[in-house]
Amino acid sequence: NAGVTQTPKFRVLKTGQSMTLLCAQDMNHEYMYWYRQDPGMGLRLIHYSVGEGTTAKGEVPDGYNVSRLKKQNFLLGLESAAPSQTSVYFCASSSMGSSNQPQHFGDGTRLSIL
Amino acid sequence: GIQVEQSPPDLILQEGANSTLRCNFSDSVNNLQWFHQNPWGQLINLFYIPSGTKQNGRLSATTVATERYSLLYISSSQTTDSGVYFCAVAETSGSRLTFGEGTQLTVNP
Repeated sequence: NAGVTQTPKFRVLKTGQSMTLLCAQDMNHEYMYWYRQDPGMGLRLIHYSVGEGTTAKGEVPDGYNVSRLKKQNFLLGLESAAPSQTSVYFCASSSMGSSNQPQHFGDGTRLSIL
Repeated sequence: GIQVEQSPPDLILQEGANSTLRCNFSDSVNNLQWFHQNPWGQLINLFYIPSGTKQNGRLSATTVATERYSLLYISSSQTTDSGVYFCAVAETSGSRLTFGEGTQLTVNP
C-alpha cells in the first residue's frame, strides 16, 4: 500500500499563478485533510472533508479552495498564489473523525511563491 | 479552541542519553498522536495514544487524559532520533487535530 501520496513534491510559482495540489489515499478512508506548516511551527488545518462530495473550512482557509469529487482524492487549489502561501503542505486521511482514529500523513509538498 | 503546549522547545543530547518530552493540553481529548518529523520533513506516526501507555522499541508514551498531559520517553537516544517531535490532539467533540509547536531534538554522536 502506498498510503497517502502527494503530488507534486516541490513547486515554485510566481505571484498570481494558480495551481492544484493532489492528494491520493488507497486506504478507503472517509476523512481527508490539508495542512500547512510554516518554519518553526506545527501544522495548521486549511480545509478538510468528511466524505466524498463534502468539504469544510479549517483554521486557515483563506486563499485556498478544495474539492473531493472522488473518495480517494482530495485536491487543494490556489487560485492566485501569494508569497504568504509559501509553505510546506501536508495531506492526511483517517477512517473516521480525528477524535476516534489516527490520521496518516503524506510526505508533503514544498511550495515556494516568488 | 484547544491549546497544546510542548516542552521543552529545544533539547540537545549526547548519544545514549534518555529524555522525556511533555505535551499539555487544555481540554478533554479523544485522540492524541505523537509524530517525529525527520530532517527530510517527513512526518512519522509514533503513537496513537488518547490514554494509557504504549511502547515501541526504545520509545514509549503515556497519556493521562484526566490530568491533560502526555509524555514521550526516548531511551538510549541515537543520532537518527534527531528532528522535531510533535504532539497533536483532537477534542472530544471535534474532527480536527490541533498541533503543538514541537520539540526540536538534536542527538550528538
